[in-house]
Amino acid sequence: GAGVSQSPRYKVAKRGQDVALRCDPISGHVSLFWYQQALGQGPEFLTYFQNEAQLDKSGLPSDRFFAERPEGSVSTLKIQRTQQEDSAVYLCASSVLAGGRETQYFGPGTRLLVL
Amino acid sequence: QQPVQSPQAVILREGEDAVINCSSSKALYSVHWYRQKHGEAPVFLMILLKGGEQKGHDKISASFNEKKQQSSLYLTASQLSYSGTYFCGTSSDLMYSGGGADGLTFGKGTHLIIQP
Repeated sequence: GAGVSQSPRYKVAKRGQDVALRCDPISGHVSLFWYQQALGQGPEFLTYFQNEAQLDKSGLPSDRFFAERPEGSVSTLKIQRTQQEDSAVYLCASSVLAGGRETQYFGPGTRLLVL
Repeated sequence: QQPVQSPQAVILREGEDAVINCSSSKALYSVHWYRQKHGEAPVFLMILLKGGEQKGHDKISASFNEKKQQSSLYLTASQLSYSGTYFCGTSSDLMYSGGGADGLTFGKGTHLIIQP
């Protein structure tokens, strides 16, 4: 079946511009996660949704970052007034909890470059 | 706190074995292993739950020692396709007790290069 898809794959933004990154999770997956991966580092947790409810946004670095999942499926991560330090790969993952095990499946990511 | 992975990098000849370690200072509920190739998504390898599990498929296996809060990934008879960066991701006992899924805390990764 289809995996997690993300769009756009690449985004170049001028500093101060707003951007919106889209994630289409695996069909039927209740949980959705956003991570930020800087060059040469592991993914860092940003936020988590269970269906349409945003249960954890402790990893969002500032109030310029906003995520939503209004119908419990597709999610959008929005970054307002982008800064150079926002340049990174933004990964989306979806998961389903079964038998006490929750496996997160990652999308290919959106590579954001802020100039 | 971010789990600590070791070694940072390893270079092997095809057919050699490798061990990658992941340790945490926090009580862990689960450890997740992923492999990521340059410019691609992290690919799920396996998940281990507290209870001292060992799992494996093909020539890749892993163990989880909950007393030491450590997990190790074992790659035997390595193949060229095993090259990439390996990440462990952890969820802590405290976070998981709230129910539902949790965001993972990843280590900095171990770079594995397999040479023919």
